[in-house]
Amino acid sequence: QKEVEQDPGPLSVPEGAIVSLNCTYSNSAFQYFMWYRQYSRKGPELLMYTYSSGNKEDGRFTAQVDKSSKYISLFIRDSQPSDSATYLCAMTRGSGAGSYQLTFGKGTKLSVIP
Amino acid sequence: DAGVTQSPTHLIKTRGQQVTLRCSPKSGHDTVSWYQQALGQGPQFIFQYYEEEERQRGNFPDRFSGHQFPNYSSELNVNALLLGDSALYLCASSPGASNYGYTFGSGTRLTVV
Repeated sequence: QKEVEQDPGPLSVPEGAIVSLNCTYSNSAFQYFMWYRQYSRKGPELLMYTYSSGNKEDGRFTAQVDKSSKYISLFIRDSQPSDSATYLCAMTRGSGAGSYQLTFGKGTKLSVIP
Repeated sequence: DAGVTQSPTHLIKTRGQQVTLRCSPKSGHDTVSWYQQALGQGPQFIFQYYEEEERQRGNFPDRFSGHQFPNYSSELNVNALLLGDSALYLCASSPGASNYGYTFGSGTRLTVV
């Protein structure tokens, strides 16, 4: 079993839809949770990060972490064609061995159709 | 404000050859990490350099080595290239002990033939 599982999609939605992306993980030592957006031929760009459990909102984006279920989500409201990209979840330990490496999911490819 | 700069952008090498990839971190960042991203996969951690020392290493063989210079720039070296080393190699920089403040470069696309 991989440490981080993410459905690779592809996911296709109409413009204006609410998009839900999610990841599950198996390592309870993970404390920091991130969502990255990666456009074709580019490096990942940090969208959101959350420490431990809870919700965080930034504009059209909301990140949720449920540590009891080992489940994280990213919601995109009023999706735009410019949101079309691959979305990667990533996580890391808070301290100790392995705390400096990000463990990524496979990424979900999202297409927002005008 | 220049972000993370990687060179070259593309590279084609033959099996068995050696390759060196370069990275200049974002201004103000002193830590550099390297990741390998195979097609259709998430990035996988290779190693991290801080204060010119390898601070942490992922599950990669010794053929993968690196270096960090006093100006915080870094190199990734891969010896005895295999076809399976074909991937996008990403450099990420961060300030000090940050657990999440990573800025990624656009990567070097390595093709081994």
